[in-house]
Amino acid sequence: ELKVEQNPLFLSMQEGKNYTIYCNYSTTSDRLYWYRQDPGKSLESLFVLLSNGAVKQEGRLMASLDTKARLSTLHITAAVHDLSATYFCAVDRGYNNNDMRFGAGTRLTVKP
Amino acid sequence: GAVVSQHPSRVICKSGTSVKIECRSLDFQATTMFWYRQFPKKSLMLMATSNEGSKATYEQGVEKDKFLINHASLTLSTLTVTSAHPEDSSFYICSARKGYADTQYFGPGTRLTVL
Repeated sequence: ELKVEQNPLFLSMQEGKNYTIYCNYSTTSDRLYWYRQDPGKSLESLFVLLSNGAVKQEGRLMASLDTKARLSTLHITAAVHDLSATYFCAVDRGYNNNDMRFGAGTRLTVKP
Repeated sequence: GAVVSQHPSRVICKSGTSVKIECRSLDFQATTMFWYRQFPKKSLMLMATSNEGSKATYEQGVEKDKFLINHASLTLSTLTVTSAHPEDSSFYICSARKGYADTQYFGPGTRLTVL
């Protein structure tokens, strides 16, 4: 069974600081996703990582994928309050397998 | 492109009644649609996968007679919560995918409250 583990589950950080959220998964995967969810809202797609060594950046967020280690990271640089949200990673084996599993989510609070 | 809508966005119903939630892909044809459930401050749990014209595949522990899924066209899937009870209160999110190799696009979610 595909399992996805995120840590930390809760993260409180000061504005201007850097931090990394980790996502480990248990089996081979075609794709890894990072999503953002604001309270009461649905998911906003941040990144899709398709291959080993993939790195994508958007603003203060950068995601990377190591398929050998089955690990993805979401790095936050110089955090600002607007980044406060819950971040989920998800793994999709695609093709004939519709199995998509989400991590538990990391609730990020950025304090002034 | 790749917009998914859900209706209604919020619904309150009495215990014992049935509620239908619609999920539409607005600008693409979705071969597969997914239904998720999210409890407060928890992650998304996949309930079922539906392919147009076929019966939905339910995840273990999800009652197919309680959560009826219909995927009658390539742009519409419906989830009907039958004989709703307070424990069915949750945030229901659908997603849609163009083809097997494509990403999933998520709808805005429907908050169901059963009194």
